[in-house]
Amino acid sequence: KQEVTQIPAALSVPEGENLVLNCSFTDSAIYNLQWFRQDPGKGLTSLLLIQSSQREQTSGRLNASLDKSSGRSTLYIAASQPGDSATYLCAVKHFNKFYFGSGTKLNVKP
Amino acid sequence: EAQVTQNPRYLITVTGKKLTVTCSQNMNHEYMSWYRQDPGLGLRQIYYSMNVEVTDKGDVPEGYKVSRKEKRNFPLILESPSPNQTSLYFCASSPFQVDSSNQPQHFGDGTRLSIL
Repeated sequence: KQEVTQIPAALSVPEGENLVLNCSFTDSAIYNLQWFRQDPGKGLTSLLLIQSSQREQTSGRLNASLDKSSGRSTLYIAASQPGDSATYLCAVKHFNKFYFGSGTKLNVKP
Repeated sequence: EAQVTQNPRYLITVTGKKLTVTCSQNMNHEYMSWYRQDPGLGLRQIYYSMNVEVTDKGDVPEGYKVSRKEKRNFPLILESPSPNQTSLYFCASSPFQVDSSNQPQHFGDGTRLSIL
Protein backbone atom coordinates (compact mmCIF):
# COMPACT_ATOMS: atom_id res chain seq x y z
CA LYS A 1 0.00 0.00 0.00
CA GLN A 2 1.21 3.46 -0.89
CA GLU A 3 2.10 5.75 2.02
CA VAL A 4 2.85 9.44 1.70
CA THR A 5 4.74 11.41 4.34
CA GLN A 6 5.31 15.15 4.61
CA ILE A 7 8.01 16.72 6.71
CA PRO A 8 7.94 19.03 8.58
CA ALA A 9 4.38 19.04 9.89
CA ALA A 10 4.66 22.77 10.60
CA LEU A 11 7.05 25.51 9.60
CA SER A 12 7.33 29.15 10.62
CA VAL A 13 9.62 31.50 8.69
CA PRO A 14 10.12 35.25 8.36
CA GLU A 15 8.92 36.94 5.22
CA GLY A 16 11.37 36.83 2.32
CA GLU A 17 12.94 33.47 3.12
CA ASN A 18 13.26 30.73 0.54
CA LEU A 19 11.93 27.45 1.85
CA VAL A 20 11.56 23.79 0.95
CA LEU A 21 8.71 21.44 1.78
CA ASN A 22 9.28 17.71 1.55
CA CYS A 23 7.07 14.84 0.43
CA SER A 24 8.04 11.18 0.32
CA PHE A 25 6.17 8.12 -0.92
CA THR A 26 6.85 4.42 -0.46
CA ASP A 27 5.95 2.98 -3.88
CA SER A 28 7.61 4.52 -6.95
CA ALA A 29 4.88 3.23 -9.31
CA ILE A 30 3.09 6.56 -9.55
CA TYR A 31 1.42 8.28 -12.50
CA ASN A 32 1.84 11.78 -11.17
CA LEU A 33 2.39 13.86 -8.04
CA GLN A 34 0.39 16.94 -7.25
CA TRP A 35 0.99 19.75 -4.76
CA PHE A 36 -2.00 21.54 -3.27
CA ARG A 37 -2.59 24.51 -1.05
CA GLN A 38 -5.36 24.49 1.55
CA ASP A 39 -6.48 27.60 3.40
CA PRO A 40 -8.41 27.26 6.68
CA GLY A 41 -12.01 26.26 6.06
CA LYS A 42 -11.44 26.00 2.33
CA GLY A 43 -11.00 23.34 -0.30
CA LEU A 44 -7.79 22.35 -2.03
CA THR A 45 -6.22 24.46 -4.74
CA SER A 46 -3.90 22.72 -7.18
CA LEU A 47 -0.48 24.37 -7.37
CA LEU A 48 1.65 22.09 -9.50
CA LEU A 49 1.37 18.66 -11.07
CA ILE A 50 4.41 16.62 -12.10
CA GLN A 51 3.94 13.64 -14.38
CA SER A 52 5.94 10.52 -13.56
CA SER A 53 8.17 11.14 -16.59
CA GLN A 54 9.05 14.69 -15.51
CA ARG A 55 11.67 15.94 -13.08
CA GLU A 56 10.24 19.33 -12.18
CA GLN A 57 7.54 21.92 -12.76
CA THR A 58 7.59 25.64 -12.13
CA SER A 59 4.89 28.22 -11.61
CA GLY A 60 5.91 31.70 -10.57
CA ARG A 61 7.74 31.50 -7.23
CA LEU A 62 7.00 27.79 -6.89
CA ASN A 63 9.15 24.95 -8.13
CA ALA A 64 8.36 21.30 -7.56
CA SER A 65 10.80 18.48 -8.22
CA LEU A 66 10.26 14.76 -8.43
CA ASP A 67 12.74 11.92 -7.90
CA LYS A 68 10.59 8.88 -8.52
CA SER A 69 13.31 6.32 -7.92
CA SER A 70 13.98 7.60 -4.41
CA GLY A 71 10.30 8.33 -3.70
CA ARG A 72 10.75 12.04 -3.03
CA SER A 73 9.36 15.37 -4.09
CA THR A 74 10.16 18.86 -2.90
CA LEU A 75 8.22 22.09 -3.20
CA TYR A 76 10.46 25.12 -3.26
CA ILE A 77 8.93 28.50 -2.46
CA ALA A 78 11.06 31.50 -3.28
CA ALA A 79 10.87 34.82 -1.45
CA SER A 80 8.04 33.75 0.83
CA GLN A 81 5.20 36.18 1.63
CA PRO A 82 2.60 36.27 4.42
CA GLY A 83 -0.01 35.36 1.79
CA ASP A 84 1.77 32.03 1.36
CA SER A 85 0.63 31.01 4.85
CA ALA A 86 -1.50 27.87 4.40
CA THR A 87 -1.28 24.10 4.61
CA TYR A 88 0.51 22.45 1.71
CA LEU A 89 -0.43 18.92 0.72
CA CYS A 90 1.14 16.51 -1.71
CA ALA A 91 -0.72 13.64 -3.37
CA VAL A 92 0.36 10.79 -5.61
CA LYS A 93 -1.73 8.98 -8.18
CA HIS A 94 -0.99 5.28 -7.73
CA PHE A 95 -2.87 3.18 -10.30
CA ASN A 96 -6.50 4.35 -9.99
CA LYS A 97 -6.22 5.79 -6.49
CA PHE A 98 -4.87 8.92 -4.88
CA TYR A 99 -2.83 9.04 -1.68
CA PHE A 100 -2.25 12.20 0.31
CA GLY A 101 0.29 13.28 2.87
CA SER A 102 -0.94 14.90 6.07
CA GLY A 103 0.41 18.28 5.03
CA THR A 104 2.86 20.96 6.13
CA LYS A 105 1.35 23.97 7.85
CA LEU A 106 3.31 27.03 6.79
CA ASN A 107 3.30 30.34 8.63
CA VAL A 108 5.14 33.26 7.02
CA LYS A 109 5.64 36.07 9.50
CA PRO A 110 5.60 39.69 8.30
CA GLU B 1 -16.83 28.53 -14.58
CA ALA B 2 -15.32 25.06 -14.10
CA GLN B 3 -16.22 23.81 -10.67
CA VAL B 4 -17.06 20.97 -8.33
CA THR B 5 -20.09 21.73 -6.17
CA GLN B 6 -20.86 19.98 -2.90
CA ASN B 7 -23.99 20.29 -0.79
CA PRO B 8 -24.54 20.83 2.01
CA ARG B 9 -21.47 22.70 3.24
CA TYR B 10 -22.31 22.01 6.88
CA LEU B 11 -24.52 19.39 8.49
CA ILE B 12 -25.15 18.40 12.08
CA THR B 13 -27.21 15.26 12.48
CA VAL B 14 -27.75 12.32 14.79
CA THR B 15 -26.56 8.74 14.80
CA GLY B 16 -28.50 6.45 12.48
CA LYS B 17 -30.27 9.10 10.41
CA LYS B 18 -29.52 8.47 6.74
CA LEU B 19 -27.94 11.35 4.88
CA THR B 20 -26.67 12.13 1.40
CA VAL B 21 -23.99 14.60 0.39
CA THR B 22 -24.27 15.62 -3.22
CA CYS B 23 -21.40 16.35 -5.60
CA SER B 24 -21.67 17.73 -9.10
CA GLN B 25 -19.03 18.75 -11.64
CA ASN B 26 -19.44 20.69 -14.88
CA MET B 27 -16.17 19.73 -16.58
CA ASN B 28 -17.32 16.45 -18.17
CA HIS B 29 -14.74 14.56 -16.11
CA GLU B 30 -14.82 10.79 -16.07
CA TYR B 31 -13.09 10.34 -12.70
CA MET B 32 -14.77 11.41 -9.47
CA SER B 33 -13.79 10.69 -5.92
CA TRP B 34 -14.73 11.23 -2.28
CA TYR B 35 -12.24 11.90 0.52
CA ARG B 36 -12.46 12.51 4.22
CA GLN B 37 -9.99 14.72 6.04
CA ASP B 38 -9.22 14.20 9.71
CA PRO B 39 -6.63 16.02 11.83
CA GLY B 40 -3.20 14.43 11.54
CA LEU B 41 -4.37 11.89 8.97
CA GLY B 42 -4.54 13.96 5.83
CA LEU B 43 -7.06 13.10 3.14
CA ARG B 44 -8.11 9.50 2.74
CA GLN B 45 -9.98 8.23 -0.28
CA ILE B 46 -13.39 6.72 0.46
CA TYR B 47 -14.70 5.74 -2.98
CA TYR B 48 -13.93 6.62 -6.55
CA SER B 49 -15.59 6.25 -9.92
CA MET B 50 -13.87 6.00 -13.28
CA ASN B 51 -17.05 6.51 -15.26
CA VAL B 52 -20.83 6.12 -15.17
CA GLU B 53 -21.87 2.95 -13.35
CA VAL B 54 -18.23 2.17 -12.44
CA THR B 55 -17.34 2.64 -8.78
CA ASP B 56 -14.66 1.17 -6.55
CA LYS B 57 -13.50 1.29 -2.95
CA GLY B 58 -10.79 3.57 -1.74
CA ASP B 59 -8.92 3.10 1.52
CA VAL B 60 -11.75 3.81 3.96
CA PRO B 61 -15.06 2.70 2.38
CA GLU B 62 -16.72 1.18 5.47
CA GLY B 63 -20.01 2.85 6.34
CA TYR B 64 -20.36 4.68 3.02
CA LYS B 65 -22.11 4.09 -0.29
CA VAL B 66 -21.86 5.88 -3.60
CA SER B 67 -23.59 5.81 -6.96
CA ARG B 68 -22.73 7.15 -10.41
CA LYS B 69 -25.84 7.19 -12.53
CA GLU B 70 -24.85 10.32 -14.44
CA LYS B 71 -21.42 11.54 -15.42
CA ARG B 72 -21.71 14.86 -13.59
CA ASN B 73 -23.03 13.59 -10.23
CA PHE B 74 -21.43 11.43 -7.56
CA PRO B 75 -23.41 11.44 -4.29
CA LEU B 76 -22.00 10.07 -1.03
CA ILE B 77 -24.51 8.19 1.10
CA LEU B 78 -24.24 7.43 4.80
CA GLU B 79 -27.00 4.90 5.45
CA SER B 80 -26.55 4.79 9.23
CA PRO B 81 -24.11 7.52 10.29
CA SER B 82 -22.05 7.09 13.42
CA PRO B 83 -19.98 9.60 15.42
CA ASN B 84 -16.70 8.25 13.97
CA GLN B 85 -17.85 9.56 10.59
CA THR B 86 -17.68 13.12 11.88
CA SER B 87 -15.21 14.67 9.49
CA LEU B 88 -14.56 17.12 6.65
CA TYR B 89 -15.49 15.58 3.31
CA PHE B 90 -14.24 16.55 -0.13
CA CYS B 91 -15.39 15.59 -3.58
CA ALA B 92 -12.97 15.82 -6.50
CA SER B 93 -12.96 15.19 -10.23
CA SER B 94 -10.45 14.81 -13.05
CA PRO B 95 -10.28 13.50 -16.61
CA PHE B 96 -9.51 9.82 -17.05
CA GLN B 97 -8.38 9.33 -20.60
CA VAL B 98 -5.39 7.10 -21.34
CA ASP B 99 -3.03 10.07 -21.41
CA SER B 100 -4.46 11.94 -18.45
CA SER B 101 -1.47 11.76 -16.14
CA ASN B 102 -1.00 15.49 -16.61
CA GLN B 103 -4.51 16.43 -15.55
CA PRO B 104 -4.96 17.73 -12.00
CA GLN B 105 -7.79 16.95 -9.66
CA HIS B 106 -10.33 19.68 -9.00
CA PHE B 107 -11.84 19.83 -5.53
CA GLY B 108 -15.09 21.05 -4.08
CA ASP B 109 -15.14 23.39 -1.08
CA GLY B 110 -15.84 20.61 1.39
CA THR B 111 -18.70 19.44 3.60
CA ARG B 112 -18.28 19.49 7.36
CA LEU B 113 -20.34 16.68 8.90
CA SER B 114 -20.99 16.33 12.63
CA ILE B 115 -22.68 13.13 13.77
CA LEU B 116 -23.97 13.35 17.34
